[in-house]
Amino acid sequence: GAVVSQHPSWVICKSGTSVKIECRSLDFQATTMFWYRQFPKQSLMLMATSNEGSKATYEQGVEKDKFLINHASLTLSTLTVTSAHPEDSSFYICSAGTSGWVETQYFGPGTRLLVL
Amino acid sequence: KQEVTQIPAALSVPEGENLVLNCSFTDSAIYNLQWFRQDPGKGLTSLLLIQSSQREQTSGRLNASLDKSSGRSTLYIAASQPGDSATYLCAVSGETSGSRLTFGEGTQLTVNP
Repeated sequence: GAVVSQHPSWVICKSGTSVKIECRSLDFQATTMFWYRQFPKQSLMLMATSNEGSKATYEQGVEKDKFLINHASLTLSTLTVTSAHPEDSSFYICSAGTSGWVETQYFGPGTRLLVL
Repeated sequence: KQEVTQIPAALSVPEGENLVLNCSFTDSAIYNLQWFRQDPGKGLTSLLLIQSSQREQTSGRLNASLDKSSGRSTLYIAASQPGDSATYLCAVSGETSGSRLTFGEGTQLTVNP
């Protein structure tokens, strides 16, 4: 149980285009979803936290107008990278949290984004 | 602000060796600490979770310890195998920030046959 999927696993796009990444909890309802970014040889950095039906909370330094997060249901969150640039190339990982004061997070397999 | 440091950054050992990975954190007010494994280009696999009230957790050849007051955790891997080769990440969940996880930069482990 507790499987999280991400789609797509790989995406290559031209600079200036927008890219949408989906994160789904397959067999449980996720009260909270988290989006992380990981640059090569670096650790995961939390970008934003989203709760179903409410606006996402962004970490300091993360542009909310550039990284649009939608959490439309308890099983789906999307991250849209708007007007992507080469510096946005990274590995994006989502996690889904189950209920509880300190939630257990289950991680997706990640999405590799390459902006040319 | 919580900071998590992992030492060493990389480690290469021959098969069969026992090894220890280290993790330290600056703010001891944590709710739990987790160790994850990440294979190249893949997501995270949770290995062990230690609640702040616990001292250690074991799973198979893995043993993780936690000394909350000194801000340290170790991951012990017994009888290492080539299949253990991966990056190991330590993450802490803060008391004040709920389930937000702060990650270390990881230890890249290579176990040579």
